[in-house]
Amino acid sequence: GNSVTQMEGPVTLSEEAFLTINCTYTATGYPSLFWYVQYPGEGLQLLLKATKADDKGSNKGFEATYRKETTSFHLEKGSVQVSDSAVYFCALTAQNTGNQFYFGTGTSLTVIP
Amino acid sequence: DADVTQTPRNRITKTGKRIMLECSQTKGHDRMYWYRQDPGLGLRLIYYSFDVKDINKGEISDGYSVSRQAQAKFSLSLESAIPNQTALYFCATSLNNYGYTFGSGTRLTVV
Repeated sequence: GNSVTQMEGPVTLSEEAFLTINCTYTATGYPSLFWYVQYPGEGLQLLLKATKADDKGSNKGFEATYRKETTSFHLEKGSVQVSDSAVYFCALTAQNTGNQFYFGTGTSLTVIP
Repeated sequence: DADVTQTPRNRITKTGKRIMLECSQTKGHDRMYWYRQDPGLGLRLIYYSFDVKDINKGEISDGYSVSRQAQAKFSLSLESAIPNQTALYFCATSLNNYGYTFGSGTRLTVV
């Protein structure tokens, strides 16, 4: 089946610290992988995506590389800001899912000044 | 105006009452979805629809029903609300498998 596992939170970092949020997946097809971000009181917004192995998605200083050999799609940012405080969701979709998305449980990030 | 609009934003209802959550979109997308979000559980799919004549159950459809009134409108109903349906509900749309557009959510409390 298809599933996504991401690291437990909450995560608290100081401003300018390095961020890693781990995400691994299980998929029966060839999935596309996504990171979504949810700011307080809002819906989910697409942060970045990668559609095939070795692709790197990037946006707003965040990056994630699609690693087929380790079935991973870890989110990284070199220097976090207070405004990055949010909940981050890893997700996948694959051709055999009928366009259905499978989400991880979310990781809450708080960045303190 | 938002691309995906959900109404109401917040609702408190009593156990046993019927309630409808509405979603409308201006994206022109064919595919629409209803998810619920619970702390520690992430998002779980309730129902989805690929066009007006297509309705599919998701992971947790029991206790819910949907109606796709038009390409742009997709409503979720709780026929007889119960407290464990207290959650944050999201509508989403997509054109293909390159990502969803989410609404801002409806916070539902069943007392």
